[in-house]
Amino acid sequence: SQKIEQNSEALNIQEGKTATLTCNYTNYSPAYLQWYRQDPGRGPVFLLLIRENEKEKRKERLKVTFDTTLKQSLFHITASQPADSATYLCALEWTGGGNKLTFGTGTQLKVEL
Amino acid sequence: DVKVTQSSRYLVKRTGEKVFLECVQDMDHENMFWYRQDPGLGLRLIYFSYDVKMKEKGDIPEGYSVSREKKERFSLILESASTNQTSMYLCASIPLLGYGYTFGSGTRLTVV
Repeated sequence: SQKIEQNSEALNIQEGKTATLTCNYTNYSPAYLQWYRQDPGRGPVFLLLIRENEKEKRKERLKVTFDTTLKQSLFHITASQPADSATYLCALEWTGGGNKLTFGTGTQLKVEL
Repeated sequence: DVKVTQSSRYLVKRTGEKVFLECVQDMDHENMFWYRQDPGLGLRLIYFSYDVKMKEKGDIPEGYSVSREKKERFSLILESASTNQTSMYLCASIPLLGYGYTFGSGTRLTVV
């Protein structure tokens, strides 16, 4: 069966550093991959989408890479700020998956002063 | 900006009650989705809809049904609420497949 794995342990980093979050998947042929931010008690907010034929995507301080050989996506936040503290979710839609988005369980990021 | 509005932020219902969760989007999106989110399990898809009066089962449809009579409104129905349906329920919409989802703020449902 298909599986998406994100590190369940919280990631603590210092303000100004680059945060790197990992999303690994198995048994998918992904059409595209998405990253979301979720604050406590709120719905997820869409950040970036990367397609299977793209290696990298950037948006302001955010960068996503997608390696379909390694079956992995990396999500980077450069010059991190305390306001970036949240849970970040990875989600995949896979070829033949019936046009459904499947989510990982998320990684909590804490940016400390 | 697209807005997805869920009618209630918090709900408390009794076991056996019929529960309606309402979701409205204001941008003429074709596709709408209902997820539930539980600690350690992430978001799981309950039902989705590609068009008015169309519905498709997601990964965990048991105990739920949906209604989409108008394009902007997608309702989730718990036919007979049970305590294992206590969860955060999230509605989302997209204009076309391959776009980022816009989620509502969620409804935290407690069944006692």
